[in-house]
Amino acid sequence: SQELEQSPQSLIVQEGKNLTINCTSSKTLYGLYWYKQKYGEGLIFLMMLQKGGEEKSHEKITAKLDEKKQQSSLHITASQPSHAGIYLCGADPGSARQLTFGSGTQLTVLP
Amino acid sequence: GAVVSQHPSRVICKSGTSVKIECRSLDFQATTMFWYRQFPKQSLMLMATSNEGSKATYEQGVEKDKFLINHASLTLSTLTVTSAHPEDSSFYICSALGINEQFFGPGTRLTVL
Repeated sequence: SQELEQSPQSLIVQEGKNLTINCTSSKTLYGLYWYKQKYGEGLIFLMMLQKGGEEKSHEKITAKLDEKKQQSSLHITASQPSHAGIYLCGADPGSARQLTFGSGTQLTVLP
Repeated sequence: GAVVSQHPSRVICKSGTSVKIECRSLDFQATTMFWYRQFPKQSLMLMATSNEGSKATYEQGVEKDKFLINHASLTLSTLTVTSAHPEDSSFYICSALGINEQFFGPGTRLTVL
């Protein structure tokens, strides 16, 4: 089965700082999803990456998928308190039918 | 994106009772829905795949008689936690499968006393 490792497990940064979260798969990814979750709430879709070397940006968040499609990174530029939450990567084995999730990264942004 | 609702958002029940959680896709039809469970500070674990008009497929280690799933229509799947115990207390999240993406509900916090 596919396993996803996320790092770091938790991250505390000062407002305005940049940060990166990594997601590494034990197998080649068909697709990689990034979600954000506030504690006790549902998941908010951020981005989906499918092609090796693909990079997508939305506002101050950029996600990349490496050429081998086994590692993805999520980069936040000039972080704000609104970026705080749990970031989850999810691996798509081939049809979005059964996503496997990473362990999550708890992000705290200090004002 | 598509909207998926869950009801109730929070429920507290006594040990031994059964609790039903509803998952609805509000603006699209979903033949497949998924039920996840999340413990505090942990990731989502897939419990089962719910297919409209057929039996659900449960992940290894998930008791199908304990967690009853019914997907009676293209917009509604229900999860019933039968004879709930304190160890069933958790955050339950459903998702509905769209064309290429899963759309997640807001989750249901279950507390069993």
